[in-house]
Amino acid sequence: GAVVSQHPSWVICKSGTSVKIECRSLDFQATTMFWYRQFPKQSLMLMATSNEGSKATYEQGVEKDKFLINHASLTLSTLTVTSAHPEDSSFYICSALLAPHKGPYSTEAFFGQGTRLTVV
Amino acid sequence: QKEVEQNSGPLSVPEGAIASLNCTYSDRGSQSFFWYRQYSGKSPELIMFIYSNGDKEDGRFTAQLNKASQYVSLLIRDSQPSDSATYLCAVADYKLSFGAGTTVTVRA
Repeated sequence: GAVVSQHPSWVICKSGTSVKIECRSLDFQATTMFWYRQFPKQSLMLMATSNEGSKATYEQGVEKDKFLINHASLTLSTLTVTSAHPEDSSFYICSALLAPHKGPYSTEAFFGQGTRLTVV
Repeated sequence: QKEVEQNSGPLSVPEGAIASLNCTYSDRGSQSFFWYRQYSGKSPELIMFIYSNGDKEDGRFTAQLNKASQYVSLLIRDSQPSDSATYLCAVADYKLSFGAGTTVTVRA
């Protein structure tokens, strides 16, 4: 299957600093990428949908100015957590949708390995 | 987001037994249904997808879909200790909505 590489796999940062997480589709083009957040013992919660060349669509309750998403190419999307606070500590996971994809949502979505963010 | 409900468990089964996982969803118009397995600290991996009513079998896994009842299930036959994980039900249109997951423990 297709490979999605997410980097870094874990990061520790100080409160108030910013952290950038990269999501790359290694062997396919992804017009759409999704960013999820998962707190311990909870399910994945969709934060935003990132479309190449356009602004991301954020889910209700997700601060777009705090979680900056850039999808500048068909193989790379980045999530920047700005002014991170301890409550932002979580497991962040990206998912890339193979382009073109057969709607509705098909099996052609692949997850990155996830990034464990700890804000101290 | 669409509501997807799962029993959180934990579900404990002896090795070799059948593990049965259930999931209900709120949007009657949903068309695509997925089961993911997630080990602790890892991202989800796809086990099964199902679009049509009825059963779909893949190895030791069987997914069952009943759109009239808005119900999808996963059976794991001949459970192995390596099957111990959290199983996530997901429903999709152009994005995935996940259930909270059911934690399964297979006792050796």
